[in-house]
Amino acid sequence: GQNIDQPTEMTATEGAIVQINCTYQTSGFNGLFWYQQHAGEAPTFLSYNVLDGLEEKGRFSSFLSRSKGYSYLLLKELQMKDSASYLCAVKDSNYQLIWGAGTKLIIKP
Amino acid sequence: DAMVIQNPRYQVTQFGKPVTLSCSQTLNHNVMYWYQQKSSQAPKLLFHYYDKDFNNEADTPDNFQSRRPNTSFCFLDIRSPGLGDAAMYLCATSRDNSGGADEQFFGPGTRLTVL
Repeated sequence: GQNIDQPTEMTATEGAIVQINCTYQTSGFNGLFWYQQHAGEAPTFLSYNVLDGLEEKGRFSSFLSRSKGYSYLLLKELQMKDSASYLCAVKDSNYQLIWGAGTKLIIKP
Repeated sequence: DAMVIQNPRYQVTQFGKPVTLSCSQTLNHNVMYWYQQKSSQAPKLLFHYYDKDFNNEADTPDNFQSRRPNTSFCFLDIRSPGLGDAAMYLCATSRDNSGGADEQFFGPGTRLTVL
C-alpha cells in the first residue's frame, strides 16, 4: 500500500529552527508537496520538490531525497503565526496526491 | 482575487437528513476535488472531476454523490448523513491533474455537524 509518515506533533520555541520530516512509500513519484493548515482552515501550498536537493523560499526550505523516500520542511526564525499543521503529500504514478496526516507544530514564546 | 469559495462554512444537519455542500471557483481550473478531513487526519479524496469527467474513489461510500453542472461550480450531496460523516469537507481545484508541479488550491472548507 501507499504510505506517508510524519510525526504527529512537534514543539519549538519562537525564533528557533525546526525540521519536520516526512517519509513516503508510494507507487511511483511525481513530486512532493508541503502544505500549511491552520486550525479550522484549508491547507495552503508551501513548496514542491521533484528533484533531489534543497528548495529555499524565505524562512521555509524543503529538502528531498528520492532514493531514501524522504523529505523535510525546515522553518527558520519561527514566529507564533507558524503554529499550524504541516502536511506532506506525494503525487504517485497516477498523479494522485497521497496525503500524510500532518504534523501539528506548537510554537512557544 | 481568483479563489475557491465554499458555502456554507458551517452546516448542521440531522441524522439521515440530506445535505448539499457547494463549491465555486474563479480560477477557471479544469479539475475540482472533494475531500473529507477528520480531526488530525489526512484529507481523504472522495472524488474529482476533470472537466465533466467524473472520477469516484473506490472506497467512497454510495451515500456521497457529486455534481458539476459547469466549470465553476461543484456540489457534494450527502444523501443520508450518519454520525460518522461529521467532518470538514474541503473543495480544491487544479489546472490539470497530471504534470507534477500542478498544485491544488483549497477553499476554506465546510464543517459538517450531524446531530
